[in-house]
Amino acid sequence: GAVVSQHPSRVICKSGTSVKIECRSLDFQATTMFWYRQFPKQSLMLMATSNEGSKATYEQGVEKDKFLINHASLTLSTLTVTSAHPEDSSFYICSAPKRGGTDTQYFGPGTRLTVL
Amino acid sequence: QKEVEQNSGPLSVPEGAIASLNCTYSDRGSQSFFWYRQYSGKSPELIMFIYSNGDKEDGRFTAQLNKASQYVSLLIRDSQPSDSATYLCAVNMGGLDMRFGAGTRLTVKP
Repeated sequence: GAVVSQHPSRVICKSGTSVKIECRSLDFQATTMFWYRQFPKQSLMLMATSNEGSKATYEQGVEKDKFLINHASLTLSTLTVTSAHPEDSSFYICSAPKRGGTDTQYFGPGTRLTVL
Repeated sequence: QKEVEQNSGPLSVPEGAIASLNCTYSDRGSQSFFWYRQYSGKSPELIMFIYSNGDKEDGRFTAQLNKASQYVSLLIRDSQPSDSATYLCAVNMGGLDMRFGAGTRLTVKP
């Protein structure tokens, strides 16, 4: 079964609003989680690394003030897209590594964001 | 040189054939290797991982690892149309540093 959940699975919002996406590890603790963005027919793009108890680490070119990340607990990370614009419309996916051995990363089901 | 390289495809095979997906990586110190499958509009799902040289089989899937050549592959036997997806190769560079290839799009034709 799913080991990482995301909510909501789909969201449509008006330009200028903020949207919060939750990522939860279901049966394990994750001090680190990852946020990706994927545009249609393109590769996964790592946006940021979410760290429990400390600031997120953002990849080059990703605006930290626009994509706010909060790792509130050992099982929850949130990504808030602030003042969303149509160009932010994308598929946002989180992942969490299940520690031990190979540190396998499990992906959430993704959130489809459409900004009108 | 990209850290993880895959042929973007599309790779097209007839139903029942063996599909062979290849991946090379740059960091010789990498220890564990993963194959994910991503259907259109969905998030990646783990198929299997491998960390020892040689072959690892799981049902119709076989992962092959050659650390000396820095090469990992995925074979899909008896390919089915439902196997049509993008296959992502991922390499653990150490700790939680996982790097993904761009993916190979596979189409299995009935």
